[in-house]
Parts: sequence; C-alpha cells; structure tokens
Amino acid sequence: KAGVTQTPRYLIKTRGQQVTLSCSPISGHRSVSWYQQTPGQGLQFLFEYFSETQRNKGNFPGRFSGRQFSNSRSEMNVSTLELGDSALYLCASSPGGGSYEQYFGPGTRLTVT
Amino acid sequence: QKEVEQNSGPLSVPEGAIASLNCTYSDRVSQSFFWYRQYSGKSPELIMSIYSNGDKEDGRFTAQLNKASQYVSLLIRDSQPSDSATYLCAVKRTNAGKSTFGDGTTLTVKP
Repeated sequence: KAGVTQTPRYLIKTRGQQVTLSCSPISGHRSVSWYQQTPGQGLQFLFEYFSETQRNKGNFPGRFSGRQFSNSRSEMNVSTLELGDSALYLCASSPGGGSYEQYFGPGTRLTVT
Repeated sequence: QKEVEQNSGPLSVPEGAIASLNCTYSDRVSQSFFWYRQYSGKSPELIMSIYSNGDKEDGRFTAQLNKASQYVSLLIRDSQPSDSATYLCAVKRTNAGKSTFGDGTTLTVKP
C-alpha cells in the first residue's frame, strides 16, 4: 500500500498570508489527524477528522482549520500567518473503527517570513 | 506536570548494548501506547504499539507497559548505529483521535 502523502513538502509564506496543506491517507484509512512540530513545543495535536467530521480539536487558535473529503483526503488551512506558525506540519492516518495506530506522512515544512 | 514525560536524554550506548527508553503518563484513562522513531529531518515512524500490561516483543524491540504505575518503556537489544534517532512516546485514550506525545529521547549508538 502507498503511504501517507502530503503536499506541498516545502512552503515559504509571508506574514498575513494564508496557506492550505493537503494530506492523502493510506488507502482504506478513514481517520486523519494533523500535528504541528516545532523544536520548542514538540508534537502538538491540531485536529482529527473521521468520516468527514471533526472528531477532536487541539488548543490552537481559530486561524487553524481543516476539513476532510468523502475520499478521506484532508486539508488544513492557516489564515493570517504569523512567524510562530513556522513548523513542520504532519498528517497521520489511521484505519479508525477500533484501530488506533497512526502512520505519519513526510510532512510539510512551512516557513513564515 | 506534562501529560507524557520521557527521559530527558540524550542517551548514548555502545553498539551491541541494550538501550532503555522510559515514559510516564498522567492520564489514568489512557489505553493505547505507542513508540515512534524519528530520524533527523524525517517524520515519525511507528515502531511499536502496546495496549495491555506486560511485555510485547518485535524483533530487537520490546515494549513494556505497567498501567498501575502509569509507565511504558522501550528496550532495544543489540543496538545498532542505525538505531540512532529520537524516540517519541505517545499515549492515546481509546476512541479519541488525539495522541499526546512526549518530547522525545535522543539515542546515539556508538560503533
């Protein structure tokens, strides 16, 4: 099976802009979670989608949003970018339905200047 | 107190030795426990999951879980230089999508 794919892999944006990141989970997986990883804060949970519904949300401001499509692909959006949003954004897919193991994609490295 | 705490590290062991990585968690409701390996510049890779008290072995890796003590560990036998990485402990409530990660322990295996 193909693994989790994320696009784009690298992104440079300017403060105040918005960005959309995409994630395609492993085929058959219905749950997609998003994490932010920074050297100072480690891996922080953003949100989880299951069957197109947001099931859990972490402690991030409303500028961070996401959605999931009927084919389980997911997007996350960050509006009004701040310098502190520079991070590695990781998508993790899980089968759902009682299986809790998560498999990470390669991540999108976002740099905000 | 952090929800998931790991050895502060870094941890250095000689090639062929046993590396022991430890993790404690604060949420008693936690049911699922995972160890990930993350090489520098790469994303985390799942190496072990454990759900019940006791030991679980997979090749050179053994995960140990003690829910009463809220403790989970990972032993790496016959450590190899290729095991040099940061190891992340993750804890999850059953039926909840959020995994809470520790800050990781960086392991260096010296030839």
